[in-house]
Amino acid sequence: EVQLVQSGPVVKKFGESLKISCKASGYSFASDWVGWVRQLPGKGLEWMGIIHPGDSDTRYSPSFEGQVTISADESISTAYLQWSRLKVSDTARYYCARRKGHYYVTRNYFDSYGVDVWGQGTTVIVSS
Amino acid sequence: SYELTQPPSVSVSPGQTARITCSGDVFPEQYSYWYQQKPGQAPTLVIYKDSERPSGIPERFSGSSSGTTVTLTISGVQAEDEADYHCQSVDNSGTFSHVVFGGGTQLTVL
Repeated sequence: EVQLVQSGPVVKKFGESLKISCKASGYSFASDWVGWVRQLPGKGLEWMGIIHPGDSDTRYSPSFEGQVTISADESISTAYLQWSRLKVSDTARYYCARRKGHYYVTRNYFDSYGVDVWGQGTTVIVSS
Repeated sequence: SYELTQPPSVSVSPGQTARITCSGDVFPEQYSYWYQQKPGQAPTLVIYKDSERPSGIPERFSGSSSGTTVTLTISGVQAEDEADYHCQSVDNSGTFSHVVFGGGTQLTVL
């Protein structure tokens, strides 16, 4: 079974650092892109960025560039999302998800079959 | 960057047809994707590439595209279809083909 299993809920204080994880199983982790999605309480989905674990090619959505760091460890099939200094506004549920498809660099075209596998989500609460 | 606009809510009676629209300048050049999200759960892909259905998704879910608007249609709505629905496409305006989501539509089954 193809699945992504995320780390558990976290409560942190403003200014602290945090790294949450997403472990893949049931497919070739190195072959498919893994992205991160933020969902603020009661709000819609926001795409944060994506990584290709096979070559660590990492791309950030403009709104999240410089705010978070996405990484992956191919040896343990795990992707990560980290913050160096949390803000109260980072309180949200975070999902990792597989974006199935192939990215054609020269054409800047992602032939995608959708974000087809999702983790269960990690709730992050940041207090002041 | 591109924006995708969805109605905040749609209501329908059981057995009727629900249509959820998503408008954006990226259409029709880019494909659309649709996700269902029930309370407390992760989203699930229900339509990809405008009108394709992943395995396991009921036939009552279909997608279509016309100009700058794409539509998710749920025929013969059931109580279990009550959920938030998110449309998705891509933004190629920068150096990478990023995912963009609409604001989401809450489907209420009366």
